[in-house]
Amino acid sequence: RKEVEQDPGPFNVPEGATVAFNCTYSNSASQSFFWYRQDCRKEPKLLMSVYSSGNEDGRFTAQLNRASQYISLLIRDSKLSDSATYLCVVLFNDYKLSFGAGTTVTVRA
Amino acid sequence: GAVVSQHPSWVICKSGTSVKIECRSLDFQATTMFWYRQFPKQSLMLMATSNEGSKATYEQGVEKDKFLINHASLTLSTLTVTSAHPEDSSFYICSAFLAGGILETQYFGPGTRLLVL
Repeated sequence: RKEVEQDPGPFNVPEGATVAFNCTYSNSASQSFFWYRQDCRKEPKLLMSVYSSGNEDGRFTAQLNRASQYISLLIRDSKLSDSATYLCVVLFNDYKLSFGAGTTVTVRA
Repeated sequence: GAVVSQHPSWVICKSGTSVKIECRSLDFQATTMFWYRQFPKQSLMLMATSNEGSKATYEQGVEKDKFLINHASLTLSTLTVTSAHPEDSSFYICSAFLAGGILETQYFGPGTRLLVL
C-alpha cells in the first residue's frame, strides 16, 4: 500500500470554478503535511503547509483530518494559471518527504 | 522562500560516461539534502539522503556505487551518475531541508534532465 494516495484526476474545470480533491496517508506518525505544485517538466514548488485547524492562502484552502488521515485542497475562482499537478506531501520525523502521485488540474477558458 | 540551485540543467551524454550534478542551497545552510529521480508521468522517487560530513543513506534498490553522493559543505551536495546508461535517463531533482520555523520543509532545485544515448 502506498504511503500517500491521491486521485490522479484529471480535473478539467472552467475558469472561475471551484475544484477540490483529497489525499490519504497511511502512517499515523506523519509529522507535517504540505501541498506542492508541479508544472510540466519543472521541479515541485511549495504551495502551502496544511494545519489541523485548516488554513487559507488566497484562493487556496487546505484541510487536515488526522483522525481519518486525509488532507484536502480546495481552489476557488480557478485561473488558467492554476493548471498543474498538485502533489500531496507528508513529512516524517527523519525529514523525509513522501509524495503522492499527484492530481492533475486543467483549467480551461 | 528558500532558494536551491542545480547545475547543469541539461546533460546529454554517451553511454558509459560519468555525469556529475551539483545541488546548492543559496540562502541557507542545509545539513540534509535529498536526491530524487522522476520518470515521465510518475511521482518523485527518493534515491538517497545526503548528510553533511557523513555518508549518504540510500533507499532500497538504489546502487550506492553507481550513484555517488558527496555532501562536503553545508551548501553543496553532488550526485555523480557513474557509467551512465540509457536507462539512467531521467529527471534528477535535489532538495535541501530548511529546519526550524513554520516553513520547515524541503525546497527543491530546478532539476537536471539527463539523457544518455
